[in-house]
Amino acid sequence: AQSVTQLGSHVSVSEGALVLLRCNYSSSVPPYLFWYVQYPNQGLQLLLKYTSAATLVKGINGFEAEFKKSETSFHLTKPSAHMSDAAEYFCAVSDRRRTNAGKSTFGDGTTLTVKP
Amino acid sequence: DTEVTQTPKHLVMGMTNKKSLKCEQHMGHRAMYWYKQKAKKPPELMFVYSYEKLSINESVPSRFSPECPNSSLLNLHLHALQPEDSALYLCASSPINGQKSPRPLHGYTFGSGTRLTVV
Repeated sequence: AQSVTQLGSHVSVSEGALVLLRCNYSSSVPPYLFWYVQYPNQGLQLLLKYTSAATLVKGINGFEAEFKKSETSFHLTKPSAHMSDAAEYFCAVSDRRRTNAGKSTFGDGTTLTVKP
Repeated sequence: DTEVTQTPKHLVMGMTNKKSLKCEQHMGHRAMYWYKQKAKKPPELMFVYSYEKLSINESVPSRFSPECPNSSLLNLHLHALQPEDSALYLCASSPINGQKSPRPLHGYTFGSGTRLTVV
């Protein structure tokens, strides 16, 4: 079975500081990996995805993530935090195998707070 | 049009009511999903439709009844709900890669959700 673990349910950074949100996955086959952002009272928005092309993936809003197979990690980073980045962030994993029929499993989420 | 539209945005219903949640997308996606999200929790998968056929039911109680009348629409019919069913209900869609099974390598496009309160 596939799963993701997000380390740190709350992360607080100062505006302009580096953002690092951690995600580790468990999967018996190379997975698809995703990061989503959720603003209050909104749905989830896809930030970026890893589907086995480049291991360093660039997404929207200046975010990027690096797939590290040896560490089973897919951490999300942004060089300089902006106040508008304050939100809930979810890491998700999908199995490549057809038997899973499109199912994604989400981590518990990390709340990012940005201090002025 | 790259949006998934959900209506209504808010719904309050009694435990004896019957109501429906609606979801519409015009991106040509042939996989559609219902997720339930409780406060401060991740989304939990309820149902998956691929090519308008139900492909996954995550052991959801029968008081939730999904329907996919065509490739653009997804409904969730609600009947005799319990207060613990109060949550944000999210619809999502994704392309299908392959002939028979959706594999969301492109990720999901989510709607803004319906905030459901059962009283």
